[in-house]
Amino acid sequence: DAGITQSPRYKITETGRQVTLMCHQTWSHSYMFWYRQDLGHGLRLIYYSAAADITDKGEVPDGYVVSRSKTENFPLTLESATRSQTSVYFCASSESETGGETQYFGPGTRLLVL
Amino acid sequence: LAKTTQPISMDSYEGQEVNITCSHNNIATNDYITWYQQFPSQGPRFIIQGYKTKVTNEVASLFIPADRKSSTLSLPRVSLSDTAVYYCLVDTYSSASKIIFGSGTRLSIRP
Repeated sequence: DAGITQSPRYKITETGRQVTLMCHQTWSHSYMFWYRQDLGHGLRLIYYSAAADITDKGEVPDGYVVSRSKTENFPLTLESATRSQTSVYFCASSESETGGETQYFGPGTRLLVL
Repeated sequence: LAKTTQPISMDSYEGQEVNITCSHNNIATNDYITWYQQFPSQGPRFIIQGYKTKVTNEVASLFIPADRKSSTLSLPRVSLSDTAVYYCLVDTYSSASKIIFGSGTRLSIRP
């Protein structure tokens, strides 16, 4: 099924463990984004990517690592998870490099760090 | 940074028109204004986008005054299914790192 998917949908981990959240899109969109949304709050941009092998920091990048070796995949890694990283993580993609393009969001990954 | 300010919450009734205003005093020349809708346990979904004046699609209208320092999302004849959080976003991908979603407006529709 075409679209943007995230895996896992739910994840429980422990403090200090490494966790990787996966994001896959089938549209060949240039831009991809990772956001986190804490309970009762809006979305905050963690990292984004303008194309394969091009990534850059968003508002809250500390503690996260991203890579984009293929256009369709944009994994987000928490190198050493902390309780403050308990959140819902959304991946999004967008078609164009120009301003004002719609972002298409995945269903989210709920991460709990114990 | 083109930070946005929206009301935290709004209430309305089925069949009414709802207008949600977003303030973005520092909007840049290249910035677009985009509104998203988010239901619980789902990712945000695009509603409408504009640059200036008025834009209308099948679900909403977007009014942007000449100075572009604010915008108003208009939802005609709302139903219970319009209960959601609405986000106003001002962005341009020439500065994608500055994309900021505010806290949104929680819209509650009553029968």
